[in-house]
Amino acid sequence: AQKITQTQPGMFVQEKEAVTLDCTYDTSDPSYGLFWYKQPSSGEMIFLIYQGSYDQQNATEGRYSLNFQKARKSANLVISASQLGDSAMYFCAMRERRDDKIIFGKGTRLHILP
Amino acid sequence: DSGVTQTPKHLITATGQRVTLRCSPRSGDLSVYWYQQSLDQGLQFLIQYYNGEERAKGNILERFSAQQFPDLHSELNLSSLELGDSALYFCASSLRLAGGTDTQYFGPGTRLTVL
Repeated sequence: AQKITQTQPGMFVQEKEAVTLDCTYDTSDPSYGLFWYKQPSSGEMIFLIYQGSYDQQNATEGRYSLNFQKARKSANLVISASQLGDSAMYFCAMRERRDDKIIFGKGTRLHILP
Repeated sequence: DSGVTQTPKHLITATGQRVTLRCSPRSGDLSVYWYQQSLDQGLQFLIQYYNGEERAKGNILERFSAQQFPDLHSELNLSSLELGDSALYFCASSLRLAGGTDTQYFGPGTRLTVL
């Protein structure tokens, strides 16, 4: 069974609009971390934001915020005021405490339109 | 810049050959991870080292091996290369061993093309 599900293979959004990228996960480990990474066309993997399973508040990092709904096992990434440079592939990932590797979703390709 | 370096950036070789990919983790990080990203398989975890010791294995083929040296840099060795090994290989590093919440920072990747 897939542990990380990103249901949006591609999205087109107008510049300056807010974007929500969906991510659901599956785990029985009560302690885990959720991550979002950005992969632009140049190929590098850029860490954006992290949310711990015991964190009480949603994580925020500049224009990025993570809408964490634990009961629904959902960890959506919200990008406010999108910019052309946000066009990239976005990966949701999870790391369980009992394990060290990160499991990645299949990604969402985001296109920001001028 | 994540602080993780990988060399070479690009590598083109022929089937049956052997190559070595190199990774230097961020200063102070003890854990190194290797991932393979291909079009059909997505991002797959290969192997992890912590302070020189193998810690976890993922979907790593027997033709592949890795090690972490005393200075903490790591090498991924790929042998008897096949066309299907063409992929982007990432190294990532993190500070601690476990904890479940340790952020991994990725290097720029090595793009391997097997002809």
